[in-house]
Formats: sequence, structure tokens, C-alpha cells
Amino acid sequence: EVQLLESGGGLVQPGGSLTLSCAASGFTFSSYAMSWVRQTPGKGLEWVSAVSNSGGSAYYADSVKGRFTISRDNSKNTLYLQMNSLRAEDTAVYYCAKGYSSSWSSYFDYWGQGTLVTVSS
Amino acid sequence: DIQMTQSPSSLSASVGDRVTITCRASQGISNSLAWYQQKPGKAPKLLLYAASRLENGVPSRFSGSGSGTDYTLTISSLQPEDFATYYCQQYYSTPTFGGGTKVEIK
Repeated sequence: EVQLLESGGGLVQPGGSLTLSCAASGFTFSSYAMSWVRQTPGKGLEWVSAVSNSGGSAYYADSVKGRFTISRDNSKNTLYLQMNSLRAEDTAVYYCAKGYSSSWSSYFDYWGQGTLVTVSS
Repeated sequence: DIQMTQSPSSLSASVGDRVTITCRASQGISNSLAWYQQKPGKAPKLLLYAASRLENGVPSRFSGSGSGTDYTLTISSLQPEDFATYYCQQYYSTPTFGGGTKVEIK
């Protein structure tokens, strides 16, 4: 059974940093691209970032480019999202999502339960 | 980025009704379209991909169609467990989602 378990969310001040993790199990992690997708009440679902199956290539939404860094450790079956210079508009539930293949732009066949990031003073 | 416009944003329907949700892309996406169902407090669940292919385990009352820029999700006979919010997503280029359609009980 595929499982994706996010952690690391919480309350952070504007300008602060936070690192999200996503522990994966039930599939060959190193064979699939992985993404982070966030959801806010006001803006719905927004793709944030993707990483290739090897970890060698990373892709970002313009809204987070230069502030967020996606990475993965295939030996630990874990996906990460390092978030710096956080803004109020980054407040959202962040989902880890498995791509259907090694292609970075894909649909998502499995999602984690989400972790809430709140950026507020 | 490709913009995805979903309509309607909400609808009210009764059990047994046929429901249709539309998604329009700002440019052609060559059937690179997925549909998701989301219930409150839960992650989205994949229903269909490649515009019309049913994900394993999804009931056959869900179907998808379309081409080019216009796509449709149809629920042939709405069931109580289908009351949820539905999203389309294109993966032809940088992934983008529609704004969602909330299906409520009439």
C-alpha cells in the first residue's frame, strides 16, 4: 500500500524558514518524480515544486522560485521542501504527491494527508 | 502557465442525478488532463487521467471526455458518497489546477 506521510508544518513568522518532509513507502520511490502541491481556501490547489526521480532536476512555480528548495533522499525514501523567506501568502496545507511516472509534469496518483504551514507574526 | 477554468463553481443535485462539470484550458493540452475528488479535510483523490481513463478502483459512473481545450467530467448517477469538490488538472506543461466545483446536496 502506497503511503506518503508529511511532517514539519507549523507556525512560522514572516521571513522565517521551515523544512517539510514526506516519508514514502509501498512503492519504488526512486522510480517516480515527486511534487509538493499546496492548498489555500482562497486560491485552491497550486503546484509548488517537483523533483525528478533521481533528484538531479528540480522545478518550481514562479511564486516560490528562489525561496523554496525541493530535494529527495532515495536511500531514505524521503522527499523534502526547504522553505525560506516565508510570506503570509505561503500559508496553506502542503501535500506531498507522487507522480505517475518519472516525468516531472504529471498527474498525481497518490497524495499525503497534508501538513499545515501558517506564516504569521 | 496554462490557465484552467472550471464551471460551474458549485452545483446542487439530488441522488441519482446526472452531473456534468466542465474544464477549459487556455490552450490545447492534448488530453493531458486529470480529475480529482476531494472531501473536507482530506487529500484529493485521483479519479481519471488522460482525460478519459478511469483510475483503478474508481466506480464506472465517473467518466471523462473532451479534446483540445475543452473537457468534461460526468457522474452518470450521483451517489451520496459523491458529494464533494472536484478539480481538473492539466499536466501538458507546468501543472495547473482548475478552481474546483463543489457538488452539494439539493
